Amino acid sequence: AQSVTQLDSQVPVFEEAPVELRCNYSSSVSVYLFWYVQYPNQGLQLLLKYLSGSTLVKGINGFEAEFNKSQTSFHLRKPSVHISDTAEYFCAVSPGYSSASKIIFGSGTRLSIRP
Amino acid sequence: DTGVSQNPRHKITKRGQNVTFRCDPISEHNRLYWYRQTLGQGPEFLTYFQNEAQLEKSRLLSDRFSAERPKGSFSTLEIQRTEQGDSAMYLCASSSTPGQSSYEQYFGPGTRLTVT
Repeated sequence: AQSVTQLDSQVPVFEEAPVELRCNYSSSVSVYLFWYVQYPNQGLQLLLKYLSGSTLVKGINGFEAEFNKSQTSFHLRKPSVHISDTAEYFCAVSPGYSSASKIIFGSGTRLSIRP
Repeated sequence: DTGVSQNPRHKITKRGQNVTFRCDPISEHNRLYWYRQTLGQGPEFLTYFQNEAQLEKSRLLSDRFSAERPKGSFSTLEIQRTEQGDSAMYLCASSSTPGQSSYEQYFGPGTRLTVT
C-alpha cells in the first residue's frame, strides 16, 4: 500500500519569493508521483508527474519537483511565486506499473501569496 | 474535447433521500474513476471502471453506494438513504489505459453534495 504525507497544511509566502512544498511518500513498490493543483471552486489540474527517468521534473506554471528515492520525497518548488499561484496543492502517488489504478492523495497544502 | 464533465454541480438533499450523479469522461478514455473529497482533505479513491467493468472498489464504498458504467461511456454514482456524513465533493476522473508515457487522470469539476 502507498501513503503520502504533506508536511505543511498551510504555507504563506510573499509575492516573488521562492517556495517549497514538501511531500514524503511510503510504498513497498516503485511508484509514480504527481502534484496536482486545485484553484478555488475548480477541479484538480495536473502540475507535473514523475514516471521514470530524470529525477528533476518540470511542470506547468514554472513549477518543478525532484524525486529523491532515498529520502522518499517529492518536494515541489517554484523560484518566484505570483498571486495567481494561490491554491491548494496535492501530492499524490500511484503504484508504478502500467495496470495501476487509483491515485493516493495527500491532505493538501494551502499556498497563500501575500503582496 | 471539452474535458470531463459532471452533473449536477451542486446537490442539496435531505437525509434519507437517494441521489444520483453523472460523469461524462473524455471520449477516448477507457478508464473512469470516482473519488470523494471532504473539506480540508485530499481526494479519496472510491472506485474505477475499465470500459464497462468495475475493477476495484474501496472499502469506503458502503452498500449504500453503487456505481455503473453501462456502455463504457458515461458513469453514474448513486447514493441511497443519504446520511449527513455523505456530504462531500464527488470527483470523477478519466484516463487512457496507463502507460509510462501517458499516465494521467483528468479530473472533472466535481459535484458538491450537501445532506441536510
